[in-house]
Parts: sequence; structure tokens; C-alpha cells
Amino acid sequence: LAKTTQPISMDSYEGQEVNITCSHNNIATNDYITWYQQFPSQGPRFIIQGYKTKVTNEVASLFIPADRKSSTLSLPRVSLSDTAVYYCLVGDLYVYMNYGGATNKLIFGTGTLLAVQP
Amino acid sequence: NAGVTQTPKFQVLKTGQSMTLQCAQDMNHEYMSWYRQDPGMGLRLIHYSVGAGITDQGEVPNGYNVSRSTTEDFPLRLLSAAPSQTSVYFCASSTLDRDSGNTIYFGEGSWLTVV
Repeated sequence: LAKTTQPISMDSYEGQEVNITCSHNNIATNDYITWYQQFPSQGPRFIIQGYKTKVTNEVASLFIPADRKSSTLSLPRVSLSDTAVYYCLVGDLYVYMNYGGATNKLIFGTGTLLAVQP
Repeated sequence: NAGVTQTPKFQVLKTGQSMTLQCAQDMNHEYMSWYRQDPGMGLRLIHYSVGAGITDQGEVPNGYNVSRSTTEDFPLRLLSAAPSQTSVYFCASSTLDRDSGNTIYFGEGSWLTVV
């Protein structure tokens, strides 16, 4: 099981770039790295997903080094509305569900609370 | 787009009562799951399913039952409610297509209080 470790909390100011790092030392060959955002009183929402190198979409970038033992979510120019909990998730539903791996059930870690101040 | 729909949104139960949290998705997803989230905590997996007729336990299955009679629905039953089951419950679904990775879609949550 690819256990993940993230900082419990981070503080930032509006307009700054924020980088949240997730450690996953025992990531498996087939595992994807996925980040979710959760606002209070809402369900988590998909942000970005990657397998290796760099992935960018309209809201974030994901940096994955060659050894894939960590990943960094980068949020450019954060605003107050980016205050949320961010979860790093490592795994591969397709592999686990089609080829066994009953111990890998896409378990979420404790997440990182990002607080953006004016 | 409905996505993942959970009902009820809020529920108060007395200790020992039973109830069912409903979850439905309209995306034809094979994978469905239930998580609970306690205040200030992360998500913990209760049960999951990879298709109609197939269910399995997650991290914290005790006190809960599930069934999957159709692709769309995945109800969670509390057999005899206990105060320790006071939590927010999230239903989630995903396709098992090879290229989808782990894009999981969550419902808006069901707030359950057991007194």
C-alpha cells in the first residue's frame, strides 16, 4: 500500500505561488498520483493527476521527479478561495480492481490544510 | 449533470436505530465507495464495490452493511446506530477504464448525528 505523507498545514498570502509536497516512498510501478481539493462541508474535488514528469492544467501543476517517490502540487497565485484541504492519493484503481491487490483500496491520507490570507 | 447524489443531506438518529444512506450515480461507473470523515480528520474508507453484486470492506467496515444490486445505486446501511458513527459520509464513484487513473467523483455528503 502506497502510504502518503503530507504537511498538516501551510500558510500563504494572496498572489503567492504555493507548493505542497507529498511523499510516497513505496509507490508501485502502476500507481498514478492524484490530488484532490476539499472545501468545508463539501466532498473532495479532483484537481490534477500524473504518472511522471510534469503535468499542467488550468488550475495547477504537478511535478513528479524521476524516482516518483514524491510529488509536488503547485498552485500559481493563490487567492482566498484556494483555502481548503488538499489530499494526495497514490494508486491505480484499474490495476487493483482488475488484477487483485485487495490491500490497495485508494485510502486517503490526512491532507494538507492550506490557509490563504489577504 | 447530476453526478453522485446522496440522500438525506442531514439526519439525526437515536442510539440503536437503523437507517440507510442512499447513493446514486448517473455516470455508469463500475466503482462506488463510501467514506466517513470525522471533524478535522481525513477520509476513511468504509466499503466499496466494483460492480453489481460485488462488494468488499474498507478500513472501517464494522457497523455498516452495503449492497450493490444495480450499477447506479450503492446504499449504506447502519444496522444499530452508535454515537461513534456520528460523522459526515461521502459516497464516491469512478470508472475502471484503464486511462482514467483515479478520477473519483464525490457526492456532497450526508451529515449524520447519533444521540
